[in-house]
Amino acid sequence: DAKTTQPPSMDCAEGRAANLPCNHSTISGNEYVYWYRQIHSQGPQYIIHGLKNNETNEMASLIITEDRKSSTLILPHATLRDTAVYYCIVRGAFSSGSARQLTFGSGTQLTVLP
Amino acid sequence: DTEVTQTPKHLVMGMTNKKSLKCEQHMGHRAMYWYKQKAKKPPELMFVYSYEKLSINESVPSRFSPECPNSSLLNLHLHALQPEDSALYLCASSQWDRGEKLFFGSGTQLSVL
Repeated sequence: DAKTTQPPSMDCAEGRAANLPCNHSTISGNEYVYWYRQIHSQGPQYIIHGLKNNETNEMASLIITEDRKSSTLILPHATLRDTAVYYCIVRGAFSSGSARQLTFGSGTQLTVLP
Repeated sequence: DTEVTQTPKHLVMGMTNKKSLKCEQHMGHRAMYWYKQKAKKPPELMFVYSYEKLSINESVPSRFSPECPNSSLLNLHLHALQPEDSALYLCASSQWDRGEKLFFGSGTQLSVL
């Protein structure tokens, strides 16, 4: 699986959009980009995933660059409850064994400020 | 019901104790997982069960023994643990074992004295 690079921490004002970047320059054609978040004292929570096209759901939007070497998770109107560690994970759809499992990197600690 | 329930939430044990962690899901998922998370570190995969059979063991020491009695339950039996095994143990489930959308429980915070 390709490795990802995320900033260790970011702040965002409550009510503003939070844009969390992820670099995955060695991603291959069949690898998906997944985003999870982990609020303190809870288990990780799935947010969204995508392959090539931009994706949107009730939680967030995922923007993947045309060359697929980076992506941005957008929380359109951040609230205090969005304070969490956000993990960007690249996973091969057709790998086998451990390679197709989720491997968490260090993530970005997002702090939403009142 | 989209919950994965883990019990107990907290556990303190001595190095000579035997204890078990339990995990339950009723989403009809066929894959279940154990992850270990040390403080301020990302979760690390330990075991994967697919259709109640162990499919992945990430070279976990034998003092950790997983068990999947049925498709809804996953246990982690602990014996002769070391203080460095103190961590948050997370259970997760997914539709299949392809590592796609995982649903995580809140974890068991384990302290080994």
